[in-house]
Amino acid sequence: KAGVTQTPRYLIKTRGQQVTLSCSPISGHRSVSWYQQTPGQGLQFLFEYFSETQRNKGNFPGRFSGRQFSNSRSEMNVSTLELGDSALYLCASSPQGGAEQFFGPGTRLTVL
Amino acid sequence: DAKTTQPPSMDCAEGRAANLPCNHSTISGNEYVYWYRQIHSQGPQYIIHGLKNNETNEMASLIITEDRKSSTLILPHATLRDTAVYYCIVALPYSNYQLIWGAGTKLIIKP
Repeated sequence: KAGVTQTPRYLIKTRGQQVTLSCSPISGHRSVSWYQQTPGQGLQFLFEYFSETQRNKGNFPGRFSGRQFSNSRSEMNVSTLELGDSALYLCASSPQGGAEQFFGPGTRLTVL
Repeated sequence: DAKTTQPPSMDCAEGRAANLPCNHSTISGNEYVYWYRQIHSQGPQYIIHGLKNNETNEMASLIITEDRKSSTLILPHATLRDTAVYYCIVALPYSNYQLIWGAGTKLIIKP
């Protein structure tokens, strides 16, 4: 099976812009989670989707949003970008949700 | 906050066993111990998990103390490609959508 894929791999934006990141889970996996990783805060949970519904959400402002499509592919959107949003954004999938997750390579977002 | 405590860094000689400790003194009875690793600039990779019995797979062994307050991940014959940050996480296997990550242990394998 193909692994989790994320596009784009690298992205440069300026403050105030918005960005959409995409994640394709492993075939058959219905749960997709998103994480933000920064040097200062480490890996932090953003949200998890299962069958097109957000099941859990981390402690991030409303500028961070996501959605999941019927084929389990997921997107996350960050509006009004701030310098502090520069990070590696990781997507992980699992069959039904749970602690054994399969991660993609991440999208490196740089906000200038 | 993470429910685990790990040393920030460790060294190990190539070919030797790497033993990575983790303290999880507040683990509850139905929580499992999970280990992941993250090689530089890549996504984390699941390694192994266990409840109370020792576990072994093709990547590593997991030893959990009888009181379950600590565990050790063992890489039996470390190679340079095992250089990574190793994370120990306690979680419920089927209802934890949100993994809580600590700082992990930076393991450096030296030739």
